[in-house]
Amino acid sequence: NAGVTQTPKFRVLKTGQSMTLLCAQDMNHEYMYWYRQDPGMGLRLIHYSVGEGTTAKGEVPDGYNVSRLKKQNFLLGLESAAPSQTSVYFCASSRSEGSEKLFFGSGTQLSVL
Amino acid sequence: GQNIDQPTEMTATEGAIVQINCTYQTSGFNGLFWYQQHAGEAPTFLSYNVLDGLEEKGRFSSFLSRSKGYSYLLLKELQMKDSASYLCAALDSNYQLIWGAGTKLIIKP
Repeated sequence: NAGVTQTPKFRVLKTGQSMTLLCAQDMNHEYMYWYRQDPGMGLRLIHYSVGEGTTAKGEVPDGYNVSRLKKQNFLLGLESAAPSQTSVYFCASSRSEGSEKLFFGSGTQLSVL
Repeated sequence: GQNIDQPTEMTATEGAIVQINCTYQTSGFNGLFWYQQHAGEAPTFLSYNVLDGLEEKGRFSSFLSRSKGYSYLLLKELQMKDSASYLCAALDSNYQLIWGAGTKLIIKP
C-alpha cells in the first residue's frame, strides 16, 4: 500500500551544491510529475513524464533536470542550487492525463542557504 | 492569462456548514478538481467535476457552473479534522492543471 514514495523528507543545501530527489510509485502509473509549492502560490509544475523514457517541461523548469529510466521512478535533479529553489517539492503520479486524479508523495522540504 | 481565485482563509465552527468558492479563467476547460491538504502533508483528491451541477460525496459536495467559471466545495457537519487547506485546480484545453493558492480552513470548537 505504498503508493508514491518520495525521499528524502528534508534537505538543506548550500548555494551551488547539487542534489537528486527520488520518487517511486508502485501503482503502474504512466504519468509522473514534479511540483513545487511555495507560500501564497498554487502548485507549480516543474517537469513531467508521460511514460518510461520520456520527460517534458512544465511551467517552471529552469534550474531542474529529470529522468525517467524506469516506469516506477522519476528523479528530480538540481545541478547548482539557488536560494530561490527553497520550497516544498511534491512528486505525483496518475494513470493517464486529464481527468485522472493525482496521487502525491509526502513531499520534500528543501532549504538552500 | 490563466487564473484561479479562491479565498486565502476561512473560519467555521465545528458542526456547521462551510462553502469554499473558486473562480477560474482558463484557455479551454476540461474539468475542475478539489484536493484537501493537511498542514505538512500531501494533497489528497476530493472531487472532480466536468458537468454543471452538484455532486455529493458524504459530508462533502462539489458544485460546478461552466458558464460562470465557478465552483464551490461544500462541507457539512464540520469536524476538527476538516481543518486543512483546500486546493482548487482547473484542467485547461491542453489538459494542464492550473492550481489555486488554496483556502486554509480553520475549524473552531
